[in-house]
Amino acid sequence: QVQLQESGPGLVKPSETLSLTCAVSGYSISSGYYWGWIRQPPGKGLEWIGSIYHSGSTYYNPSLKSRVTISVDTSKNQFSLKLSSVTAADTAVYYCARLEVVTAIFDYWGQGTLVTVSS
Amino acid sequence: EIVMTQSPATLSVSPGERATLSCRASQSVSSNLAWYQQKPGQAPRLLIYGASTRATGIPARFSGSGSGTEFTLTISSLQSEDFAVYYCQQYNNWPLTFGQGTKVEIK
Repeated sequence: QVQLQESGPGLVKPSETLSLTCAVSGYSISSGYYWGWIRQPPGKGLEWIGSIYHSGSTYYNPSLKSRVTISVDTSKNQFSLKLSSVTAADTAVYYCARLEVVTAIFDYWGQGTLVTVSS
Repeated sequence: EIVMTQSPATLSVSPGERATLSCRASQSVSSNLAWYQQKPGQAPRLLIYGASTRATGIPARFSGSGSGTEFTLTISSLQSEDFAVYYCQQYNNWPLTFGQGTKVEIK
């Protein structure tokens, strides 16, 4: 059973960098699939942030591209998100998920972690 | 960017009734459309992909249809556990985009 678990600070100050990690169990990242991040502001809809392949190739949402870095650590079977220069608008529940390579559908999701941007 | 528009925003339905949710794409996405269900405090769950293929373990009362720019998710007979928010997502083009969601509530 594939499981994903997000971790990282729940509170980040404005202008700082948000950093989250997604630990994957039950499947080796090196075996394939894309791995991605999606966020959901409180009471709002879903926004795709970006995705990474095990080889390191990435796709980012153009609306966030200048501030986003997604990386993968196959030795630890995890991948990470960094979002720089955060503002209150970046307050959201952040989900990590697995994406099928051919279809880019999200078939497994983490439980999500709330990150609040506030001083 | 392909904009996905869902309607209605809220759908009030009695248990046992049929629910029909719509999703429209700003340009053709072929059949590259998925539907997700999200309950309060939970991550979304994949229901349908390829516009009409049910994901593993999804009950037959959920069905999807459409292609191009117009898509429909139908829940044939609503059960108590089906009251949730439903999102469509296109994966025809990067960036991946979601609709704003339809909340199915108890009438």
